[in-house]
Amino acid sequence: AQTVTQSQPEMSVQEAETVTLSCTYDTSESDYYLFWYKQPPSRQMILVIRQEAYKQQNATENRFSVNFQKAAKSFSLKISDSQLGDAAMYFCAYRASGTYKYIFGTGTRLKVLA
Amino acid sequence: SAVISQKPSRDICQRGTSLTIQCQVDSQVTMMFWYRQQPGQSLTLIATANQGSEATYESGFVIDKFPISRPNLTFSTLTVSNMSPEDSSIYLCSVGSSGTSGRLTDTQYFGPGTRLTVL
Repeated sequence: AQTVTQSQPEMSVQEAETVTLSCTYDTSESDYYLFWYKQPPSRQMILVIRQEAYKQQNATENRFSVNFQKAAKSFSLKISDSQLGDAAMYFCAYRASGTYKYIFGTGTRLKVLA
Repeated sequence: SAVISQKPSRDICQRGTSLTIQCQVDSQVTMMFWYRQQPGQSLTLIATANQGSEATYESGFVIDKFPISRPNLTFSTLTVSNMSPEDSSIYLCSVGSSGTSGRLTDTQYFGPGTRLTVL
């Protein structure tokens, strides 16, 4: 069965600094998608970034980038120039191609210190 | 991405009662889903809401407890029946699109959630 593991329940970062959130997953599939979602106190789940497994190039979205290591089954999120608005719960998620079901990690709470 | 709204945003209910949560999307979507997020935990898929047919439930969730309706491509409801304190959670609606193969082709987008507290 597929699993997603986020080993950091909580992380802190100084404003304007860089932080990396870890995510590992387990699957026997070769074609899948990986996502990072952000859930601020408002509860709205917001898509931060997604990665297709068949793409070797790491996805980037402005200050957010991923380090996708397919062989190691690792999918970390790097947030550069951290802002107070980045404070939220971050969930890593996996979805096998051809399925609709997301497997979510347990989340990492990110605190941004002024 | 679609704009998704949920009603109510929060509610406090008595044990044994039922609550119906509504999910409205601003555009037609092929796939709608209901998730539960228990306090301090991750998201768990309850069911896929199918338009014109019965919902598809995940293991551990049953229709009698969580009846779902989906009368059209922009609207769905989830009812939490005969509630107990263990049902206190955030319930989230999400949507996605599928291609001609019926497979989910796009990212799922989530509504703002409904925070339910059962006393």
